[in-house]
Amino acid sequence: DAGVIQSPRHEVTEMGQEVTLRCKPISGHDYLFWYRQTMMRGLELLIYFNNNVPIDDSGMPEDRFSAKMPNASFSTLKIQPSEPRDSAVYFCASRAPGAGELFFGEGSRLTVL
Amino acid sequence: AQSVTQLGSHVSVSEGALVLLRCNYSSSVPPYLFWYVQYPNQGLQLLLKYTSAATLVKGINGFEAEFKKSETSFHLTKPSAHMSDAAEYFCAVSGGSARQLTFGSGTQLTVLP
Repeated sequence: DAGVIQSPRHEVTEMGQEVTLRCKPISGHDYLFWYRQTMMRGLELLIYFNNNVPIDDSGMPEDRFSAKMPNASFSTLKIQPSEPRDSAVYFCASRAPGAGELFFGEGSRLTVL
Repeated sequence: AQSVTQLGSHVSVSEGALVLLRCNYSSSVPPYLFWYVQYPNQGLQLLLKYTSAATLVKGINGFEAEFKKSETSFHLTKPSAHMSDAAEYFCAVSGGSARQLTFGSGTQLTVLP
């Protein structure tokens, strides 16, 4: 049974470039979450979707960040333009209907030079 | 609102010794509580969860945790540490309209030979 799939696993880019991170949740899960992990701030919730609809994006740090979920099997997190302080590991997680636990992907490690 | 405090960002134990990782939570609603483990360059893996059933919860790899409402605690224990237990451990509480997870700052467990 496939888990949450994220791509790319590693991304190195230069300041000012657009970055797109991708996530495929577990089939049948109705919630999708995007988290960011840094040494300084730990795990932060950026945004989450329910049935493809964004519910709460209050954790998105700036307007440079945007997320979409065009269908139940795909979500993107976009940063445009990217800055060095965006360097972090970005995790996608999904949750089954009525369940409590989240299932996490392996993460996308972003380095902005 | 909910929050989690993990006491001790680094814990070292000898192989075969008791592992005790501390977690205290705050929640305005009856909480669901979780422990996750993260190995280097990997995502978060669920160790165990409390969702208002038995207060002593058993998880994978020999770990267990006890929910103590009076102490607002959910400490993680393992009777005998193994080298493979070396990892970072996160306590999380769920709350809010979507029962989204709020994570503690993590505890890095080192197992000494």
